[in-house]
Amino acid sequence: DTAVSQTPKYLVTQMGNDKSIKCEQNLGHDTMYWYKQDSKKFLKIMFSYNNKELIINETAPNRFSPKSPDKAHLNLHINSLELGDSAVYFCASSHTGGDGYTFGSGTRLTVV
Amino acid sequence: AQSVTQPDIHITVSEGASLELRCNYSYGATPYLFWYVQSPGQGLQLLLKYFSGDTLVQGIKGFEAEFKRSQSSFNLRKPSVHWSDAAEYFCAVGAPNTGNQFYFGTGTSLTVIP
Repeated sequence: DTAVSQTPKYLVTQMGNDKSIKCEQNLGHDTMYWYKQDSKKFLKIMFSYNNKELIINETAPNRFSPKSPDKAHLNLHINSLELGDSAVYFCASSHTGGDGYTFGSGTRLTVV
Repeated sequence: AQSVTQPDIHITVSEGASLELRCNYSYGATPYLFWYVQSPGQGLQLLLKYFSGDTLVQGIKGFEAEFKRSQSSFNLRKPSVHWSDAAEYFCAVGAPNTGNQFYFGTGTSLTVIP
C-alpha cells in the first residue's frame, strides 16, 4: 500500500542502452513529476504531468521521454544512456493547487 | 522566478541540543514554502509546509518553522535533536499557478553526535 512506488530501485546498465523507470501513485493525485538528484544531492525537476498532459518540461534531453497512460502512472524512458545520466531519479505526485509532494523512494541509475 | 538558498551545506550538533536550519527564498509575493527530510537511501518526506496564515508552523517529528517575510526566510527548528534526525534537509519554494513546480535548495546535511 505504498503511496508512490517506483521500480526498479536500482538500475545498472551500459552506455548506449535504453531503459525505463516506472512510477505509480495510489493517492488520487492529479499531478505527477520526475526529479533528478545528482551526486551533490541537487534536485531538479525534469517533467510534470497533470491529468496525463505534459505541463512542465525542464530542458531534459530528447533522449528522455515521459509517458503517462493514466493519471496514476508516469513512466520515464531513457534512450541511448550516457554516463552523465547516472543519478537518482525521483517520482512524486501532488494535488493541483500547490500542496506538498509525496515522493517515491527513488531509482538509483548507474551507467557504466 | 523563484529560488531557494540554504547557506549551510553541513551542520553538526550534539544529541539533545537545539537545531536551526536556514532557508532563504526569492519570490515577489508570498510563496508556498516546504521543508523535506531525506534519510540515506530514501525518498523525501514532507516535514511541514506554509501557505498562509500563522507564520509559525508545526510539523512532524517535533519540527517547526517560522516564515519571516521581512527576511525572506523560512528557518527550520527543533528544540532537542535526536540521533535519528541525522539526514539531509531540503527547503523548497513553490508559487501559485506555476503548475505546482517547486524549486529545491541544495540541502543541508545534518550530523548528530551522541
